[in-house]
Amino acid sequence: QQKVQQSPESLTVSEGAMASLNCTFSDGTSNNFRWYRQHSAKGLEVLVSIFSDGEKEEGRFTAHLNRANLHVSLHIREPQPSDSAVYLCAVSMSGGSNYKLTFGKGTLLTVTP
Amino acid sequence: GPKVLQIPSHQIIDMGQMVTLNCDPVSNHLYFYWYKQILGQQMEFLVNFYNGKVMEKSKLFKDQFSVERPDGSYFTLKIQPTALEDSAVYFCASSRHANTGQLYFGEGSKLTVL
Repeated sequence: QQKVQQSPESLTVSEGAMASLNCTFSDGTSNNFRWYRQHSAKGLEVLVSIFSDGEKEEGRFTAHLNRANLHVSLHIREPQPSDSAVYLCAVSMSGGSNYKLTFGKGTLLTVTP
Repeated sequence: GPKVLQIPSHQIIDMGQMVTLNCDPVSNHLYFYWYKQILGQQMEFLVNFYNGKVMEKSKLFKDQFSVERPDGSYFTLKIQPTALEDSAVYFCASSRHANTGQLYFGEGSKLTVL
């Protein structure tokens, strides 16, 4: 059964400093990786999706995938206080629905002015 | 961007009662999903639904759970009867295609079973 773990559990960065979040997964056949964020009492907002090794940039959000190391990361350039939220890593395995996602527990990001 | 609407946002019921959670998916989407998130735990897949049928369900989708979308109206999750362990936030999601494109989530329906 797929396990998805995120680190750190919480992270505080100053406005404008790079924020880096990590996600490891257990099933090497996984081929679909998404980063979402969730503001308090709100739905999930998709930030970036990545399907092959390397880097994928969407605005200030960049995902790095290394399937051999079972690792995907999210880097947020020039974070703002409005970026404070819970960031969720979601992974799905090949051969099934790309939307049968296994989520991590999330990283709580706080961006201070 | 596209919105998935969920009603109610919060419901409190007594154990053993029936509850129906409603989801209004993105208008041209064909695939619908429910996820469950217990407080402090990760979000977990419950079920996906297409063309009037359950396509796939997890072991969390107990016999007391059912889903339907009658005549293109709300996509619903019904729990009958409810149990204490059903207390959670239930997120609805929808997508246009089965495996490509974006998956859009609603803001969740918080269910409290007393």
